[in-house]
Amino acid sequence: QSVLTQPPSVSAAPGQKVTISCSGSSSDIGSNYVSWYQQLPGTAPKLLIYDSIRRPSGIPDRFSGSKSGTSATLDITGLQAGDEAHYYCETWDSSLYVVVFGGGTKLTVL
Amino acid sequence: EVQLVQSGAEAKKPGEPLKISCKGSGYIFTSYWIGWVRQMPGKGLEWMGLIYPGDSDTRYSPSFQGHVTISADKSTNTAYLQWSGLKASDTAMYYCGRYLFADPYFDFWGQGTLVTVSS
Repeated sequence: QSVLTQPPSVSAAPGQKVTISCSGSSSDIGSNYVSWYQQLPGTAPKLLIYDSIRRPSGIPDRFSGSKSGTSATLDITGLQAGDEAHYYCETWDSSLYVVVFGGGTKLTVL
Repeated sequence: EVQLVQSGAEAKKPGEPLKISCKGSGYIFTSYWIGWVRQMPGKGLEWMGLIYPGDSDTRYSPSFQGHVTISADKSTNTAYLQWSGLKASDTAMYYCGRYLFADPYFDFWGQGTLVTVSS
């Protein structure tokens, strides 16, 4: 069981918007930045969002992140077939001194 | 260009030792943490541990402490993950990633090393 809670799956049609949630606690999300990763089938994870809201160079602005209290959210707008992947949230737990990941969310573009 | 290149796939028998590697290039290897992450077949990402190659400061997930050893060689810019005796349950894909401790996130990842343990 993962420390950070994500919905197992989300789906939406091409062009639409989807939101993926990540719920934690005061010692992890509540105390630290959150990052998000995209894992396309058969590939390594790729950084999508860091510092809860920032995008690395090359990541389209269709991807955006936010954080409030002990929860974080990844929004993807203008969905494309190539966005079908697993998405993971991640942060640091300041009480346990460990890296924590969410269980992952599978995005299906209908 | 920052790159992390991992060693190739391994097929081992239970009880055998194994050491896999992650070679960094394109940045100052000793100035960034390297983390290891396990992904079992069809499952999510699990953090195993971190090492700071500059001084070999190492942190382990309680779930993996005592089961694996993380090390680094500054002279070759390489981090390692090793087992003294593999189990079938160690069958997984293992990823290394460059970790920015202060923020915190993995900004670059290796391509992964598939470890298969079967009799």
